[in-house]
Amino acid sequence: QVQLQESGPGLVKPSETLSLTCIVSGGSISDYYWSWIRQAPGKGLEWIGYVSFSGSTTYNPSLKSRVTISVDTSKNQFSLRLTSVTAADTAVYHCAGDTMSSTGYLFDYWGQGTQVTVSS
Amino acid sequence: DIQMTQSPSSLSASVGDRVTITCQASQDISNYLNWYQQKPGKAPKLLIYDASHLQTGVPSRFSGSGSGTDFTFTISSLQPEDIATYYCQQYDVLLTFGQGTRLEIK
Repeated sequence: QVQLQESGPGLVKPSETLSLTCIVSGGSISDYYWSWIRQAPGKGLEWIGYVSFSGSTTYNPSLKSRVTISVDTSKNQFSLRLTSVTAADTAVYHCAGDTMSSTGYLFDYWGQGTQVTVSS
Repeated sequence: DIQMTQSPSSLSASVGDRVTITCQASQDISNYLNWYQQKPGKAPKLLIYDASHLQTGVPSRFSGSGSGTDFTFTISSLQPEDIATYYCQQYDVLLTFGQGTRLEIK
């Protein structure tokens, strides 16, 4: 049973970089697709992007210029970097995995989510 | 971008009722549509994939149908534990989520 756990600072200052890590247990990170998805307060779900088992990435065009998702297979974890954050980036950030499809877009495993607030 | 329009945005129903949520895509997405359930304070849970396939372990009272631009999600007999927000998600072109449908017990 795959389990995902996010970690990272809960508070980030405006214009700085948000960095989060998702540790994957119960499965190899080298086999599937891994995404970051966020949910602003009272809002719906917004996909940020994914990293594949091969290390290739695909990002939401609306965030592409500020996002980097990378994978560390030695630690079985993947990471999110979001630069130049503003209050609009305040959200609960979930990591999620696609272990079922070949697209990377079917999320059958999710982390519980971590709250990130952007404020000075 | 493909826009996903869910309706209603919220609904109230009684235990045992049949509940239907619709999701309309702004263009043909074939059957590249998933449905998720999110309970308050929890991560979303995959219920239906590829429009009509029930995820392993999900109760059979949940079902999905449709193709092209119009999709339906149904709970055949509403249970108290089904109180949640439901999201559709297309993945024909990148991916986008619907805005969600909040389901409450009447």
